[in-house]
Amino acid sequence: GENVEQHPSTLSVQEGDSAVIKCTYSDSASNYFPWYKQELGKGPQLIIDIRSNVGEKKDQRIAVTLNKTAKHFSLHITETQPEDSAVYFCAAPHSGYSTLTFGKGTMLLVSP
Amino acid sequence: NAGVMQNPRHLVRRRGQEARLRCSPMKGHSHVYWYRQLPEEGLKFMVYLQKENIIDESGMPKERFSAEFPKEGPSILRIQQVVRGDSAAYFCASSLTGTRNTEAFFGQGTRLTVV
Repeated sequence: GENVEQHPSTLSVQEGDSAVIKCTYSDSASNYFPWYKQELGKGPQLIIDIRSNVGEKKDQRIAVTLNKTAKHFSLHITETQPEDSAVYFCAAPHSGYSTLTFGKGTMLLVSP
Repeated sequence: NAGVMQNPRHLVRRRGQEARLRCSPMKGHSHVYWYRQLPEEGLKFMVYLQKENIIDESGMPKERFSAEFPKEGPSILRIQQVVRGDSAAYFCASSLTGTRNTEAFFGQGTRLTVV
């Protein structure tokens, strides 16, 4: 099965700075890598994903990069704002199905 | 355009009671997944169902836990004879297809507390 490692576990930045969260995966057959944002007391919200046929994808202030050779992918948030504060999870396909294996999460704190 | 709906949002059970958690997928979605999140931990896959069928239950505890997704109505995660260690947030997700690169959308979860 898939194994996903996520770093760092906590990340504190000042408003306006950039934040980067990194994940590695083990299954070279994995081809889909979503990122979820979870606010306190809420469910995970899909914020961006990337498929293995591209190396980078952007959506306004967030971007995800993928290095298939090294089996790692990263989430980049630019011009961070206090409302970006949340726990972020990376994920990769679990076994041969559409289920997901998640990283342990990164708590991002953006200070005004 | 309702998203994934879970109820109840909060559930308190005494040790030994049964807990029933419900999940209605997004409109048009027939693939449902249950995940468990323990305090300050990530999400762990439990079971994957498609209408009337269990596709993958490799993450389900062998005893006391069961899941169903009937032809009509919501998916149900059932925990019999709950113990304190079952206290967690249980999340349901749904997707349009069962392919490996399909997008999955989550509900707000049911927070189970066993006292």
